[in-house]
Amino acid sequence: EPEVTQTPSHQVTQMGQEVILRCVPISNHLYFYWYRQILGQKVEFLVSFYNNEISEKSEIFDDQFSVERPDGSNFTLKIRSTKLEDSAMYFCASRVEGNTGELFFGEGSRLTVL
Amino acid sequence: AQRVTQPEKLLSVFKGAPVELKCNYSYSGSPELFWYVQYSRQRLQLLLRHISRESIKGFTADLNKGETSFHLKKPFAQEEDSAMYYCALSSNFNKFYFGSGTKLNVKP
Repeated sequence: EPEVTQTPSHQVTQMGQEVILRCVPISNHLYFYWYRQILGQKVEFLVSFYNNEISEKSEIFDDQFSVERPDGSNFTLKIRSTKLEDSAMYFCASRVEGNTGELFFGEGSRLTVL
Repeated sequence: AQRVTQPEKLLSVFKGAPVELKCNYSYSGSPELFWYVQYSRQRLQLLLRHISRESIKGFTADLNKGETSFHLKKPFAQEEDSAMYYCALSSNFNKFYFGSGTKLNVKP
């Protein structure tokens, strides 16, 4: 069964460093999302992406964040200059065209900023 | 503002007991409501959505627009139901709002 895959599973970085989290959505899916979950808190929406552009983004998704679909299969989240408060589990999700509303999630990438 | 509230962080029940996981929402339009589940060491996955009005793994959820609630129920809990449950809403599928989750622990 096709799955959303994310790499790395865990990344430790120093504050101020750039981080790229990678996701390979399910191949026939057209909508892509990034969510994050700070330990013990809710799953928070960051950004949605369709047709090579951002559909919607949250107030968390400031200028430090960017997304890209560089090659038709990967979907990346870049954090330009990480802060301590960026430490969280980052989830990628994708869905098909249509009104099912079902999101397929990856296993997450845990980011630890020291 | 859009908000999904799950008041219980943890719910412990014995096997065979009924279970109800509460979800309340605030939204100005007509959202679609979902329950997602995360079993131990597995990824977050859809359990059910209100629009399909189906029962999945014995779970049902009724949308009560008057009370703005979408509680998840099961008459007889099983040990394999132990998991983290998240209520979510969306209006346009560009953005989904999740609650903070309820950990269900079904004791033998």
